[in-house]
Amino acid sequence: KAGVTQTPRYLIKTRGQQVTLSCSPISGHRSVSWYQQTPGQGLQFLFEYFSETQRNKGNFPGRFSGRQFSNSRSEMNVSTLELGDSALYLCASSLVPNDQETQYFGPGTRLLVL
Amino acid sequence: AQSVTQLDSQVPVFEEAPVELRCNYSSSVSVYLFWYVQYPNQGLQLLLKYLSGSTLVKGINGFEAEFNKSQTSFHLRKPSVHISDTAEYFCAVNPPGGGNKLTFGTGTQLKVEL
Repeated sequence: KAGVTQTPRYLIKTRGQQVTLSCSPISGHRSVSWYQQTPGQGLQFLFEYFSETQRNKGNFPGRFSGRQFSNSRSEMNVSTLELGDSALYLCASSLVPNDQETQYFGPGTRLLVL
Repeated sequence: AQSVTQLDSQVPVFEEAPVELRCNYSSSVSVYLFWYVQYPNQGLQLLLKYLSGSTLVKGINGFEAEFNKSQTSFHLRKPSVHISDTAEYFCAVNPPGGGNKLTFGTGTQLKVEL
């Protein structure tokens, strides 16, 4: 069974631009979560989607948004990029949004904002 | 709210020696506890998790962890490490009913030397 896939793997943008990252969960998994990983702030929860609905949201500004499609694939968007948005963005999937479920992480998308 | 503290940012150890990576958490409610490992340029992989029951949890790659409620700790141990264990290790918590919203520690870089 294929794992969580994230595209693109690497991305370079400039300040003020916007970016869209994509995540395809493991087949059959319906819950997708996004995390941001930076050297300064560590791993921080962005949001969680299930059945095309956002169930949980972390403490990030409104420039960060996401959505989930009917096939459970998810995208996250960051508008008006800032230098501090440079990070590794990790997507994780699980069967359902149950806190006992194991979340399986993808390899991440590394975003560099210049 | 929950928080996780990993006091050791780096732990050097010789191959075949035992190792303990420390994790303490703070929460006003009971939580589920997780240890993840991240190899260079990869996503996170679950090592083990504590949901309930026996306080000693065994995971993959010979790792184990012990949940200590009175000390609010969940330290990770391995009796004999291998070069391939060199990676970053993250402790995480999730409260029951919290969905898939993991709160992570800042990570411990384990460096195994010959």
